[in-house]
Order: sequence, then structure tokens, then C-alpha cells
Amino acid sequence: DQQVKQNSPSLSVQEGRISILNCDYTNSMFDYFLWYKKYPAEGPTFLISISSIKDKNEDGRFTVFLNKSAKHLSLHIVPSQPGDSAVYFCAASARETSGSRLTFGEGTQLTVNP
Amino acid sequence: DTGVSQDPRHKITKRGQNVTFRCDPISEHNRLYWYRQTLGQGPEFLTYFQNEAQLEKSRLLSDRFSAERPKGSFSTLEIQRTEQGDSAMYLCASTTGKRGQETQYFGPGTRLLVL
Repeated sequence: DQQVKQNSPSLSVQEGRISILNCDYTNSMFDYFLWYKKYPAEGPTFLISISSIKDKNEDGRFTVFLNKSAKHLSLHIVPSQPGDSAVYFCAASARETSGSRLTFGEGTQLTVNP
Repeated sequence: DTGVSQDPRHKITKRGQNVTFRCDPISEHNRLYWYRQTLGQGPEFLTYFQNEAQLEKSRLLSDRFSAERPKGSFSTLEIQRTEQGDSAMYLCASTTGKRGQETQYFGPGTRLLVL
């Protein structure tokens, strides 16, 4: 039962353009969502999060959008830079019922071409 | 703030041997989580601690796995009688556990290879 799904295994964009990474979830109890970036042989690095009471959160070049009715969130990176090339994981938690343990998607490999 | 640290970073062992990993969380963080990541997948939850109490264990955590956090600071994850299927990256994360501060910060992971 894949409760968090990232349908695109890979995404390639040109430097300076927008990168849009998508994530869908099925568990309506999820109320907190996060994006992590991961390089090979390293642990995930936190990027940005959003609570279910919001529909948008912005931090510098990163913006996360949440559509609760569609159970969909997306991460926008603009402008994209070659250093953004990594695997991006979407994660979700149900803070009141499961100790905030995270459920992750499968990841999307982002490649930003110079 | 030195971040979450894990030791060792890499471990190669033979099938049937026992291995133990250590995680040191960020000092003021009360909650500590263990996850496992295999190739091509996202991390999967194994277990978590609130201070020294182990509050939840995933069905992924077979009886060969045991985790402790004896003084509510560092934690250890032991795998007994390792199998080739245990080969994975083992990740530790910590958070304050306070409302509004739920972001989990991850360590660099321990990569286990069972031959």
C-alpha cells in the first residue's frame, strides 16, 4: 500500500528554468508534508515543509503547494541550478496518530543541465 | 549544533554475523527515528523513541532487530544473524517532538552490505 507516490522517477530541466516535482498521497490523516533532497551515500537533507492548514509555503527558490482536495503536493524550484541535481523525496506524516513518523515516496531524480 | 551523526558510515559483514549501529541525535531533540532505505526506494520507517521509551515499531522490524536508547540520548540498532536482504542504508533522524517543530533531521546513514 503505497500511501505516498511520486509518479515521475526522473526529471530533466535546463538551468534557469522552473523544476516542478509532484507527489500524491492517499491517507487523509496526513497533515504535515515535507520535501527532502538526497545525494548518493548521504542522508536526506530537509528542504521545505507545509502544514495541512496552508496551501503554499515559500523559502527562497523553493515553493511547496498543497491541494488537499486532490491529495496532491508539488515542489517548485525556480530558477533551477546545476547544484539542484539530486533525488527529491516527498514525505508525509500524521502528527496526532503516528508519532510524526514519515512515509516517503519513491523519489524523483532531478537533473539540471547547464 | 553538530547535527545528527551515525557510526559507522559503512559496514561489510558476512551473513549470520551480528552488527550494531549507533546514532547521536541533535542534543535537544527528544524524538529519535530509525529508517531503512533500499536501492530505488524511499526511506521506510522502522522504529522511534520519545526520550528513552520505544513507542512504535514497524512490522519491518523482525525479531532479529533490536533498538535501544538507554539514557534518552544516543541510540543503537542491532541486527542479529544478518541476512543478505538486510543490505540497505540505515538512517537515523531526530526532532524535538514539539508541535510546530516536527521537521526530522537526518544523519548521513550507515550503509550495510551483507555478503
